[in-house]
Order: sequence, then structure tokens, then C-alpha cells
Amino acid sequence: DIQMTQSPSSLSASVGDRVTITCRASQTISSYLNWYQKKPGKAPKLLIYGASSLQRGVPSRFSGRGSGTDFTLTISSLQPEDFATYYCQQSYSSPWTFGQGTKVEIK
Amino acid sequence: QVQLQQWGAGLLKPSETLSLTCAVYGGSFSDYYWSWIRQPPGKGLEWIGEILHTGSTTYNPSLKSRVTMSVDTSKKQFSLNLSSVTAADTAVYYCATLTYGDYDMVAFDIWGQGTMVTVSS
Repeated sequence: DIQMTQSPSSLSASVGDRVTITCRASQTISSYLNWYQKKPGKAPKLLIYGASSLQRGVPSRFSGRGSGTDFTLTISSLQPEDFATYYCQQSYSSPWTFGQGTKVEIK
Repeated sequence: QVQLQQWGAGLLKPSETLSLTCAVYGGSFSDYYWSWIRQPPGKGLEWIGEILHTGSTTYNPSLKSRVTMSVDTSKKQFSLNLSSVTAADTAVYYCATLTYGDYDMVAFDIWGQGTMVTVSS
């Protein structure tokens, strides 16, 4: 199985801050990397697919970069509704696997 | 636009079988891989497996011995059975679509509302 490792596990930030989350795959996954936002009591929401493509309806303050094994999700200006847990997920080979999550909390 | 609605028993005893069903509204039933994903309390997301409209399945090897998925194309529904459950199977279970699209899109883009399943004696 491909292991996905996110860092940090959690972070505290203020509204307006620029936030970057990192995801590393245990082997190359080309650009088959997705990012999801998860809020308590809600289903995950797809933000970014193919490492850098913004899902329809997702605000442009979210962006993704990377290929191979190293990827980042950046929120350019954190908004109150962005406080959540973020997960990366590889779709290069089955079984599809997720990172352990990064919780973004209010400072 | 595809929407998913899921249901099933929320409280099970150890050794029982978990059964969940997900109904598909809108869209074509043959356009997607239909998946199940779970999240134990306080933990991350785990992919359980997927099924095509043809009935072809792929399961996570970690659960393969206990998982069975099925489809009912006439009702546009797909189901998950997980046998011999233990407390470790306590989780929120989600159905989701795995969509293959342009620009390296292979992603879970549509999700059901989730079902909390608790295994307790």
C-alpha cells in the first residue's frame, strides 16, 4: 500500500493567514493526489484533484502543487469557514489511501 | 447532479454483520465506481472498497475477508456488508462516487451523508 504522510498534524492560524499543508507519498504517485476538507458531522468535500486542479465551486484561495512524492495544499487567505481538517489521498494505485489529516484551528 | 442517500443499522453487537445501502439520485448509474469509506472516531479516513454497475468489485486487502458489496441496478442502489464486526469497526461509514475524469481526476467527488455505526455488547 502507498503510505501518505501529512505535516503538520495540526496548526493554529488566524483569519487572513496564508496556510500551507504538506503531503508526502511513500512512492511516486505522479499527479494522482487529491485534497479534501472535513468538518465535524459533515462528509468530506473534494477541494483539489490531480494535485492542482480546483474542483468546481471551490474558492480560488485554495491551491495545490506538486508531483511525484511531495505535494502541498495552500490556503492563501484563511477564512472563518476554512477551519477544518484536511486530508490528502492518493489515487495512483488501489487500495486508495489517505493521509492522517491536518487540523486547522483558530489561533 | 448525482446525489447519494445512505441508510442502515446504527447499533450492532460483536460478531454481527453490518449492512448499509446507498441510493443514487440523478446521473447515470454506469458512469461511476461506487465506493464505501469509513472514519473511526478521532481517526482518519479508510477506503473499504468499490463496485461497478456490472458487479465487479475491488476491496481493501485489510478488510477483504469480511467485506461484500453488491449493486441493484434496477433501484440504482449499492450495498455494503461487513461481517463479524468488532468494536474496531465502530465508525462513520460513507458511500461515495469515485469519478474518473480529465486532468488526472480520480477522486471521491460526491459523498453520502454518512452513517454512524457503533459496535457494542
